[in-house]
Amino acid sequence: QKEVEQDPGPLSVPEGAIVSLNCTYSNSAFQYFMWYRQYSRKGPELLMYTYSSGNKEDGRFTAQVDKSSKYISLFIRDSQPSDSATYLCAMSAAGWNQAGTALIFGKGTTLSVSS
Amino acid sequence: DTEVTQTPKHLVMGMTNKKSLKCEQHMGHRAMYWYKQKAKKPPELMFVYSYEKLSINESVPSRFSPECPNSSLLNLHLHALQPEDSALYLCASSQDKRWTLSSGNTIYFGEGSWLTVV
Repeated sequence: QKEVEQDPGPLSVPEGAIVSLNCTYSNSAFQYFMWYRQYSRKGPELLMYTYSSGNKEDGRFTAQVDKSSKYISLFIRDSQPSDSATYLCAMSAAGWNQAGTALIFGKGTTLSVSS
Repeated sequence: DTEVTQTPKHLVMGMTNKKSLKCEQHMGHRAMYWYKQKAKKPPELMFVYSYEKLSINESVPSRFSPECPNSSLLNLHLHALQPEDSALYLCASSQDKRWTLSSGNTIYFGEGSWLTVV
């Protein structure tokens, strides 16, 4: 079983839809959770980060972490064509990069929002 | 806009060439990273520098040679690469090696350098 599982999609939705993106993980030691957005041929851009369990909201984006289920989600409300990108979840057991505890990425979900 | 700047954005090199990728950040970060990303794959960590010292080398072949001349600059020297090394090379930085999210210390990526080895 891979440490982080993420459905690659593609996921296609109409403009204005609520989008739900998810990752599951197997390492119960993960405590730091991030979502990155990556446009085609660009570097990843940090969208949201959370520590441990709970919700965090920032504008149209909401990140949720359920450590008991080892499941994290990113919700996008009122989706726009400009949200079309690949969304990568990332997580780590430690708050630093050391051998064996580097930031682990999911494969990314490709989202397409049509106008 | 990202505050991690990478040059060049695109590079095509032959297998016998020597070239370098450059990265610069002016956020005062003391940890800098090189990642490699193949198409439709997540980024893979290559190297970590902490306070200008190499902290992590994730078993990267010696044809990739990192260098951190100062706290703002990070280079990746390339020599005798193979076609399978063609990828997006991402530079990233964080406040320090211990990036504690509670204090807003997270990892920021540059836009990447697209490398094609022919």
